[in-house]
Amino acid sequence: ETGVTQSPTHLIKTRGQQVTLRCSSQSGHNTVSWYQQALGQGPQFIFQYYREEENGRGNFPPRFSGLQFPNYSSELNVNALELDDSALYLCASSSPPGSGGEQYFGPGTRLTVT
Amino acid sequence: QKEVEQDPGPLSVPEGAIVSLNCTYSNSAFQYFMWYRQYSRKGPELLMYTYSSGNKEDGRFTAQVDKSSKYISLFIRDSQPSDSATYLCAMSATAAGNKLTFGGGTRVLVKP
Repeated sequence: ETGVTQSPTHLIKTRGQQVTLRCSSQSGHNTVSWYQQALGQGPQFIFQYYREEENGRGNFPPRFSGLQFPNYSSELNVNALELDDSALYLCASSSPPGSGGEQYFGPGTRLTVT
Repeated sequence: QKEVEQDPGPLSVPEGAIVSLNCTYSNSAFQYFMWYRQYSRKGPELLMYTYSSGNKEDGRFTAQVDKSSKYISLFIRDSQPSDSATYLCAMSATAAGNKLTFGGGTRVLVKP
């Protein structure tokens, strides 16, 4: 069984730039959720994708957007980067929403905005 | 006030001791409760998952949920230095696979 993978591991961007983060879900999982974890804090829910559509969104501005592909992998895009966007971005996969399955996390992408 | 409160620690215990962790929450709609372990610069790892109130045991880990008090606990018996990590509680109102609301995490240090 293949676990959740994310790329890149870490990257550095300048304020105002755009970034794309990638996630491959665990084998057998078709739902992907994204979380932002600031240093010393718990993860905060950004949004979830199921069947290539957004299925729930947290309190994040529209410059945070995502995609899910037919193979269930997903991208998180952040436009107009701000210094406060520096964080660990976590992807989690699970079985279909409401099926009772738990979320399993990838290792994360550490984003630094300067 | 945050929906889920967790003491940040650090909590330092000697090897072999029982580690006791807890979270309180304010949203009575939460029904699904999870504990994750996170090592430094790694993703969270699911330890325990409990639905509604009650106790659940898995090896050295015991999770308890008291919905009437809006209080959940995790106990780690016979703690090992490898248990040194940050422990995150997480909750959902609709399903374990849906939006999770996390506590801020408790840092635990088990000293040899």
